[in-house]
Amino acid sequence: DAGVIQSPRHEVTEMGQEVTLRCKPISGHDYLFWYRQTMMRGLELLIYFNNNVPIDDSGMPEDRFSAKMPNASFSTLKIQPSEPRDSAVYFCASSPSQPGLPNTGELFFGEGSRLTVL
Amino acid sequence: AQKITQTQPGMFVQEKEAVTLDCTYDTSDQSYGLFWYKQPSSGEMIFLIYQGSYDEQNATEGRYSLNFQKARKSANLVISASQLGDSAMYFCAMRLYTGANSKLTFGKGITLSVRP
Repeated sequence: DAGVIQSPRHEVTEMGQEVTLRCKPISGHDYLFWYRQTMMRGLELLIYFNNNVPIDDSGMPEDRFSAKMPNASFSTLKIQPSEPRDSAVYFCASSPSQPGLPNTGELFFGEGSRLTVL
Repeated sequence: AQKITQTQPGMFVQEKEAVTLDCTYDTSDQSYGLFWYKQPSSGEMIFLIYQGSYDEQNATEGRYSLNFQKARKSANLVISASQLGDSAMYFCAMRLYTGANSKLTFGKGITLSVRP
């Protein structure tokens, strides 16, 4: 089975440009999470979805960030306009529904998208 | 609210020895799961082990075991017989399973270096 697929793996852009990060979760997983990782702040949860519906977006830093999940197999995280402080690794992760054997509720992570804003 | 605390500075261990990585958590919920992830220098997040709040026995997965002390709200990871490939960042995380809240929160992480 394919894991969580993120694209692009690396993105270098200039301040002010729009950035779109993409994620394909594991088929059958009901939850999708977006995290941001920086040295200073560690792994921060930005937003998560359940059955394509955003449940908690309290971690989205500001209005420049938006996330959508139009269907069960695709999600985007958009930054517009981008700023140098947005430089980070952005992880997408998915998980199945509420835990029960053999599911533990663990999150399956993509390889991350490394964003550099100049 | 949920909070994960990992306060150890970088940890060092001699190859083939055991090491304990500390994690404490805070929640008022009764139903939750505790996780440990490994992040090597290549950057991927690797799931290691899981402990449910209602599990009475400590979880084990190969060389990894989780020392779960519910009353103290601690979930320490024990790695036995350390290998050079264990050098990485280790994250403790907690996921609530209460109503609509199902987010997974990470601690700040601990860097482990295994010496030959």
